[in-house]
Amino acid sequence: QKEVEQNSGPLSVPEGAIASLNCTYSDRVSQSFFWYRQYSGKSPELIMSIYSNGDKEDGRFTAQLNKASQYVSLLIRDSQPSDSATYLCAGLDSNYQLIWGAGTKLIIKP
Amino acid sequence: EAQVTQNPRYLITVTGKKLTVTCSQNMNHEYMSWYRQDPGLGLRQIYYSMNVEVTDKGDVPEGYKVSRKEKRNFPLILESPSPNQTSLYFCASSPKIWDLGNYGYTFGSGTRLTVV
Repeated sequence: QKEVEQNSGPLSVPEGAIASLNCTYSDRVSQSFFWYRQYSGKSPELIMSIYSNGDKEDGRFTAQLNKASQYVSLLIRDSQPSDSATYLCAGLDSNYQLIWGAGTKLIIKP
Repeated sequence: EAQVTQNPRYLITVTGKKLTVTCSQNMNHEYMSWYRQDPGLGLRQIYYSMNVEVTDKGDVPEGYKVSRKEKRNFPLILESPSPNQTSLYFCASSPKIWDLGNYGYTFGSGTRLTVV
């Protein structure tokens, strides 16, 4: 099992709908979690971080963390074509190293 | 503007010819890191540095060297590049290693390296 696992996609969502991205993690990864967005050929950009169980909202983005089930998700409301990108999930381990998933490619269809 | 600057953006080289990818940050960050990104494998850490003169291996250090003589610079050296080092490389920084939980990374714009 990979330590941070994501479905590679592509995930296709109509414009204006909610995009739901999921990530599961192993016992090694137990602290903060991050969602990064990466456009093709560009560097990752931090969207949100989450440390506690529950939901965290920032504009159209909501991160959800469930430590008991070891998953973290990102919801994007009112999806726009500009949201089309690869979304990387990452978690911090006890040695303060970020462990990355391979990313989910999201396509927003106009 | 606060940023991490990598050079070059694109590089095509031949097997065995030594090369250096430069990385510089202007944010006075102590923690710096190099990653490579390959399709389906995600970001894998090559080396990291917690401060000047303090470097350590990441998950995939074979074939790479780094140095940290100044706080702002963290060059990545490939002494004898091979085709399996063809990849997209990112330099990243954070104020301190334990600030990763709060701030995550600031990434450079990337270097696409092709070794033929």
